[in-house]
Amino acid sequence: AQKVTQAQTEISVVEKEDVTLDCVYETRDTTYYLFWYKQPPSGELVFLIRRNSFDEQNEISGRYSWNFQKSTSSFNFTITASQVVDSAVYFCALRDVNAGNNRKLIWGLGTSLAVNP
Amino acid sequence: DAGVTQSPTHLIKTRGQQVTLRCSPKSGHDTVSWYQQALGQGPQFIFQYYEEEERQRGNFPDRFSGHQFPNYSSELNVNALLLGDSALYLCASSLYPPGTEQYFGPGTRLTVT
Repeated sequence: AQKVTQAQTEISVVEKEDVTLDCVYETRDTTYYLFWYKQPPSGELVFLIRRNSFDEQNEISGRYSWNFQKSTSSFNFTITASQVVDSAVYFCALRDVNAGNNRKLIWGLGTSLAVNP
Repeated sequence: DAGVTQSPTHLIKTRGQQVTLRCSPKSGHDTVSWYQQALGQGPQFIFQYYEEEERQRGNFPDRFSGHQFPNYSSELNVNALLLGDSALYLCASSLYPPGTEQYFGPGTRLTVT
């Protein structure tokens, strides 16, 4: 069965600190996609990144970076020099690409990040 | 370029009533997925529509039904509302291949009293 675990329920940091959000996934398939979404207080889920299982390159986008390690089934997300506007709930999600089950995202429970001034 | 839009923003219904939520996908997208998000939880997949057909369904009862129109917009219908149906209902649009990212609308907050 597929599963996504975000062990950190809540994280609180002070502005300008670096923070890493953990994501561990379970799947029996060799082909899958991983996603991170941000959900600010307004409620709208904002797509941040997609990574497929064959691409283990880490990615950096501005203050955001992602570390994908298949050996540990982890897809961690780091925010460098955090800002108050980064305060949100962050979700990690998994989509398998196998027959009959390739249409839905499996979500973690989310990590609520509070960045304090 | 309009993103995903949903209506209404908020809705209050009474137990036993029926509700219809609406979604217009992002321009160029042909697939619509619906999710239910209870407070403090991650989104739960309800179903997905492509080419006006339900392609996959999550673990939701038949009280939850949907429709997709030729212009790709979609409706989610919930019959015989229960208190437990109170949640944020999110619509996401994407292109059909499974690996593409989904873009979410702002959601409809449904409260059942």
